[in-house]
Amino acid sequence: EAEVAQSPRYKITEKSQAVAFWCDPISGHATLYWYRQILGQGPELLVQFQDESVVDDSQLPKDRFSAERLKGVDSTLKIQPAELGDSAMYLCASSLALLAGEQFFGPGTRLTVL
Amino acid sequence: DAKTTQPTSMDCAEGRAANLPCNHSTISGNEYVYWYRQIHSQGPQYIIHGLKNNETNEMASLIITEDRKSSTLILPHATLRDTAVYYCIVRGHQTGANNLFFGTGTRLTVIP
Repeated sequence: EAEVAQSPRYKITEKSQAVAFWCDPISGHATLYWYRQILGQGPELLVQFQDESVVDDSQLPKDRFSAERLKGVDSTLKIQPAELGDSAMYLCASSLALLAGEQFFGPGTRLTVL
Repeated sequence: DAKTTQPTSMDCAEGRAANLPCNHSTISGNEYVYWYRQIHSQGPQYIIHGLKNNETNEMASLIITEDRKSSTLILPHATLRDTAVYYCIVRGHQTGANNLFFGTGTRLTVIP
C-alpha cells in the first residue's frame, strides 16, 4: 500500500540552528500539507500546496519557516533559526483532491530543540 | 478554532462496542463530519466521514443526528489496537473552508 514518506524521523538541534524536513507524498497526489503537532494537542496546519503552488500558508510563521514543492512532487519544510518553542512533531500529508476526501499522513518528524 | 466538542478520555472493554460522541452544534449545511484517529507515535489515520446519512465502512460506523448537531463514532468490537486519540472534525468541501482543524480529541483506552 502506498504511503507518505518523511525523513528524518527524529531530529535534535540546538536553538538558532537551521533544520529541514523532507516529505514524499503518495504518487499522483496533487495536494500536500505540512502540519505541526505540539505534545498533547492535535495537529495544526502550517501550509498547503496544490501541485507546486501554495494554497494556504496563513498559519506559517514566515519569519523563520519556509516551505517549497518545486516540481510539485516532494516537499521540504525549513526552519531557520530554530527556537525552543519549535519542538514538536512535524507531519506531512497528501490527498488526491484539493477540497475533499481523505488525507494520508506520514509518520512525522519529531524535532527537539535544545 | 475547533468547531467540535469531545470528551477528553474514554475507556472501553476489549470486544465491546466503543461509542465516541461528538458535538458540533454550529455545523453548517454544507459541512461534513470527519473522524480521524492517531495511534501513539504515528500520523493520523482517516476513519470515516459523512454529511447527513449514517455511514459504515470496514473500520467503523458514523451515526449523525437528524439535526446534525452531534454524531457518534462506533467501533463495533474494540480491540487493543484501537487504543488511540480520536478526532472529530467538521470540514467544508469548498475553497477556504476545507482544512482539517483537529482539536484535542478523545483518548480511547481499550482495556483487556
